[in-house]
Amino acid sequence: ETGVTQSPTHLIKTRGQQVTLRCSSQSGHNTVSWYQQALGQGPQFIFQYYREEENGRGNFPPRFSGLQFPNYSSELNVNALELDDSALYLCASSLDGQRENTEAFFGQGTRLTVV
Amino acid sequence: SQQGEEDPQALSIQEGENATMNCSYKTSINNLQWYRQNSGRGLVHLILIRSNEREKHSGRLRVTLDTSKKSSSLLITASRAADTASYFCATGPRQLTFGSGTQLTVLP
Repeated sequence: ETGVTQSPTHLIKTRGQQVTLRCSSQSGHNTVSWYQQALGQGPQFIFQYYREEENGRGNFPPRFSGLQFPNYSSELNVNALELDDSALYLCASSLDGQRENTEAFFGQGTRLTVV
Repeated sequence: SQQGEEDPQALSIQEGENATMNCSYKTSINNLQWYRQNSGRGLVHLILIRSNEREKHSGRLRVTLDTSKKSSSLLITASRAADTASYFCATGPRQLTFGSGTQLTVLP
């Protein structure tokens, strides 16, 4: 158990809809990162939040957006869902996003299926 | 784009044997981390090795890092059926860049 919890665990949405995924970070961690993992691939970095501010973004379109709250939990929002958005979405919590060499601890993921 | 690439893509061994997986990366790194993933679930952190370290141990795991060759290896000794999983290397320092993983199958 990493102490990182994600909800929901599974979700089915229709193309064009919007979705919100949630993540509670490990106690004492102020940094949350989101990753998308397509079937058979490694996770791809979406973005990171450090103390409620975006602290880096991967190669994802603006319809992927996020938020971090004062308690350091986080949301990932995806608008105008496309079939290719079907994937496992992983949240990772780390102690301090400004430090190097910090370990990232992952939640169990949310499996999103877009039909 | 994928920074790290694991080799082999798939590995099948008998219980009790050792398993070695390799990772190559392209640019300079501050650290390299290894993760395990069981069947589409979350990633479990195994070990972090810093760029100034050459070898690190954790239980049955041994990780080496060769920054001159931009490569790392993960050795699992005395493998068990429960070690069956996908193994990924990831490079930092902050946002992680993952390879495509090695699928390890340990046969009882």
